[in-house]
Amino acid sequence: AQSVTQPDIHITVSEGASLELRCNYSYGATPYLFWYVQSPGQGLQLLLKYFSGDTLVQGIKGFEAEFKRSQSSFNLRKPSVHWSDAAEYFCAVGAAGGGADGLTFGKGTHLIIQP
Amino acid sequence: DTAVSQTPKYLVTQMGNDKSIKCEQNLGHDTMYWYKQDSKKFLKIMFSYNNKELIINETVPNRFSPKSPDKAHLNLHINSLELGDSAVYFCASSKGAQFAETQYFGPGTRLLVL
Repeated sequence: AQSVTQPDIHITVSEGASLELRCNYSYGATPYLFWYVQSPGQGLQLLLKYFSGDTLVQGIKGFEAEFKRSQSSFNLRKPSVHWSDAAEYFCAVGAAGGGADGLTFGKGTHLIIQP
Repeated sequence: DTAVSQTPKYLVTQMGNDKSIKCEQNLGHDTMYWYKQDSKKFLKIMFSYNNKELIINETVPNRFSPKSPDKAHLNLHINSLELGDSAVYFCASSKGAQFAETQYFGPGTRLLVL
């Protein structure tokens, strides 16, 4: 079965600084990878996704992520964070053919922005 | 217009009661899902429905039952509520059944069982 690990439970970054959130996955075939953001009291919003092709994918709100097969990683980055980026970030992996494994989420990284 | 909506937003109830959470999507999607987010923010899929047929059913208690009157709705019924059912429940939908499809989430229903 697939799994996702987000090693950092909390990350604190100063406003204007760069950001990298780590995500490692375990899946036997080519994974479908997603990053979602959850603002306080809100549902989840898709930031970006990777299926195939260019390993560097661009998302909304200035985020990007890079798929590295050799490291089984799909880290999320942003060159300069804004206070409004404070939220919970979830990495997820989906089974290519659907089925019982479904969409598996990591446990999330809570991002705190310092003024 | 809200793409995926859930009602109620908050639900406080006593142990042993039966409750329902409604979900509606106006995206014309074929597949809908229910997720449970626990107190540690861990999200786990509970059910999904594709064209009114259950296509996955994780190891959730049979006190939980999804009901889909039509393609745009997937309601979650919970019988004999327990303290451990307290969580945030998210509904989601996607265009197709494959999990490569982007899932669009509702705002969540915060359930508290006393």
